[in-house]
Formats: sequence, structure tokens, C-alpha cells
Amino acid sequence: AQRVTQPEKLLSVFKGAPVELKCNYSYSGSPELFWYVQYSRQRLQLLLRHISRESIKGFTADLNKGETSFHLKKPFAQEEDSAMYYCALIGGNTPLVFGKGTRLSVIA
Amino acid sequence: GAGVSQSPSNKVTEKGKDVELRCDPISGHTALYWYRQSLGQGLEFLIYFQGNSAPDKSGLPSDRFSAERTGGSVSTLTIQRTQQEDSAVYLCASSLPKAGGYTFGSGTRLTVV
Repeated sequence: AQRVTQPEKLLSVFKGAPVELKCNYSYSGSPELFWYVQYSRQRLQLLLRHISRESIKGFTADLNKGETSFHLKKPFAQEEDSAMYYCALIGGNTPLVFGKGTRLSVIA
Repeated sequence: GAGVSQSPSNKVTEKGKDVELRCDPISGHTALYWYRQSLGQGLEFLIYFQGNSAPDKSGLPSDRFSAERTGGSVSTLTIQRTQQEDSAVYLCASSLPKAGGYTFGSGTRLTVV
């Protein structure tokens, strides 16, 4: 079975501090991993995907198959980063499976 | 259309009544997905369509839930005899086939009183 675990419901950091949102997954094959973000009163939107290996809004995420993790990182948090973040996985032909989300709060 | 459109944006209904939620996907997106978002539960997969057929209905919580899609475009999610535990935000998304980059609608907030 496919499963995505985000161990933190809420993460509070000070502006300018580094951020790491944790994501672990369970899947026997080769998954495709994503991070989605939902800002206050906005739609859920794709932030980044592991196959792109890109940095979006200063965020990066590296797929670690040995640790089955896909943690989201940013070196210096900004207030506008405050949002709900969801890690998600696609394996085979199944739809996206989401974690329960982590609410990031960046304190000025 | 330019984005995924859902209606109504808010729906308050009495327990036991039926409700219909509508999703209009991005033109050309053959895959359409329904999820339910509730506090503390994240995004719960309900059903998805490839064209007009639904290969995976495994997420529907009970037989009170059903969905259809016609013309490879608009989809409706119907909840019969609503219960208070059905209260949630129902999200629709669409994508190209087998793509993980979904475009989400703004959701329908359903409140059962």
C-alpha cells in the first residue's frame, strides 16, 4: 500500500531561520513525489516535483530512496511562506496519495 | 476554461437531504479527481475518472456517495441522505493522463446541519 507520512501537524519558525518539512513515504516501486502548498484562502497548488530537481520560491526537496524521504527545505524562511504544505506520491497508475499536511507558521 | 471550476462554493444542507457538487475541469484534461479535505485528515481520495469511466472508486466512503462524468468534461459528485460526518471541503482536480501535476479547484465547503 502507498502511504505518505508527515509527522508534524504544525511547524513554527522565526523569519530568516531554516525550514525543513518532513515527509516519509511507503511504496515498493519507484514513486514520483510532489509537494503541494495551500496559502490562506487560495487553492491547493503544486509547489515542486522531485523529477524536476528545481528550486521554487527558494524551496528544494531531494528524494532519498534509502530513507524513503522527501523533505522540503528552505534556508531562510519568509513570512509569506506561512501556509499548509502537503507531500504527495504517485505510484504506478494510481492517483496522488497525500499526507495529512503540515501547517508552517513563520513568525516575524 | 482557464482553471478548474467548482460549484457551489458553499453548501449548507439539512441532515438526510441529497446534495450535488459540480466540477468543470480544464479543457483537454482527460483525468478528473475528487478529494475530500477535512481538519486533521488531510486530503482523502474519493474517486477519479479517465474520460467518462471511473477505474478507481475505492475511496468512496459509502454507497451514499456516487459520481459521474459526461462528455469527458463536467463531473458531479452526489451525496445521498447526508450525514453530519459528510461535512468537509470537497476538492476537484484535473490533469493530463498519468500526470502528477494536478490543477485543483477552489472546492465546495459542505456543511450538514
